[in-house]
Amino acid sequence: QITLKESGPTLVKPTQTLTLTCTFSGFSLSTSRVGVGWIRQPPGKALEWLALIYWDDDKRYSPSLKSRLTITKDTSKNQVVLTMTNLDPVDTATYYCAHRLPGRYSFDYWGQGTLVTVSS
Amino acid sequence: QSALTQPASVSGSPGQSITISCTGTSSDVGGYNSVSWYQQHPGKAPKLMIYDVSNRPSGVSNRFSGSKSGNTASLTISGLQAEDEADYYCSSYTSSLPYVFGTGTKVTVL
Repeated sequence: QITLKESGPTLVKPTQTLTLTCTFSGFSLSTSRVGVGWIRQPPGKALEWLALIYWDDDKRYSPSLKSRLTITKDTSKNQVVLTMTNLDPVDTATYYCAHRLPGRYSFDYWGQGTLVTVSS
Repeated sequence: QSALTQPASVSGSPGQSITISCTGTSSDVGGYNSVSWYQQHPGKAPKLMIYDVSNRPSGVSNRFSGSKSGNTASLTISGLQAEDEADYYCSSYTSSLPYVFGTGTKVTVL
């Protein structure tokens, strides 16, 4: 059974750096074709894909946020970490991590999400 | 890369069929068979309903079906039920990045 759970701060000040951790179980990020992504959703708005890391450490980022994002994995801990720098109130959103359906461009398992508010 | 275009809302009565459209370009929806659909109930995480245009994951009702014509993909819900009331998002692989989501559609069961 695949599960994912996001953790991190709920409140961040503008210009600060956000670090979110996705802890998962039921699969290994060292298995071929496996990937974990991050998606966010501002309150009342649409989903926005942020980043993805593959089993082979290949990484993809949303072009509009690429300069501010870093995604890493710790296979031994079954964790994926997303770092976002220079936070702004517009970054207020629920942040989800999700398991990529192997070999497909879809996310078949999602975490419950964590709401991050950016405010002074 | 712009978001894929979906109607803001679609409604139908119980038992009816409804269709949600997802319009992109030849660089995303039209160029690849990698369109997915997600259902999201309020306060919940999205749930994968369709992948690769028309494939249903295990456990998803066969009342949900997907198709594509040109640059537009569609999700059809047949035999509409109260539990289908939710937000629906499409997504697609693109020539420049692996994922782009749609603007989202609110489905209301009358």
